[in-house]
Amino acid sequence: GAGVSQTPSNKVTEKGKYVELRCDPISGHTALYWYRQSLGQGPEFLIYFQGTGAADDSGLPNDRFFAVRPEGSVSTLKIQRTERGDSAVYLCASSLTLANEQYFGPGTRLTVT
Amino acid sequence: AQSVAQPEDQVNVAEGNPLTVKCTYSVSGNPYLFWYVQYPNRGLQFLLKYITGDNLVKGSYGFEAEFNKSQTSFHLKKPSALVSDSALYFCAVRDLAASGTYKYIFGTGTRLKVLA
Repeated sequence: GAGVSQTPSNKVTEKGKYVELRCDPISGHTALYWYRQSLGQGPEFLIYFQGTGAADDSGLPNDRFFAVRPEGSVSTLKIQRTERGDSAVYLCASSLTLANEQYFGPGTRLTVT
Repeated sequence: AQSVAQPEDQVNVAEGNPLTVKCTYSVSGNPYLFWYVQYPNRGLQFLLKYITGDNLVKGSYGFEAEFNKSQTSFHLKKPSALVSDSALYFCAVRDLAASGTYKYIFGTGTRLKVLA
């Protein structure tokens, strides 16, 4: 079946611009997670959703970052006033429930120039 | 604080030899432990997990991992390495946070290089 998909695969933007990153989870998965991975590091937790609500957003670095999942399926990570330090690979994952293993998408590589 | 440590940045092993990739953890409650593998330009793939039960867990591609509560370790193993096993391996732990929600914490990764 279809796995987790993320679009775009690459995004280059200028400092100060707004970006949206999209995640399409596996159908039927109730939990959805966003991570950020910098070079040489493991995935860093940002936020996760159980259904439509953000169950834990404590990993979002500041209020420039926001994520939504309005219908409990597709999610969008939004970054305002991007900074060069936001450059990283943003990973999305979904799982059937919180107790199950996560399935990851291929990631979106964000480069802020 | 919850944490996961992968003490080796890189592990080199000859093809056909057994391999071990180390992971230790620190959590407040009973841990759920996971191993993921990341191939170049691809997303993380689930290998195996420990939740409860037998300490030796078998997973995909012939990998297994041993949960050791007293040593707080969850080392990944394979009896005979293949060149195609060369990749980046991540250990992760799910812990129940004080807020009542779950947090997943990943290690920094270990690059496995299997030499022909």
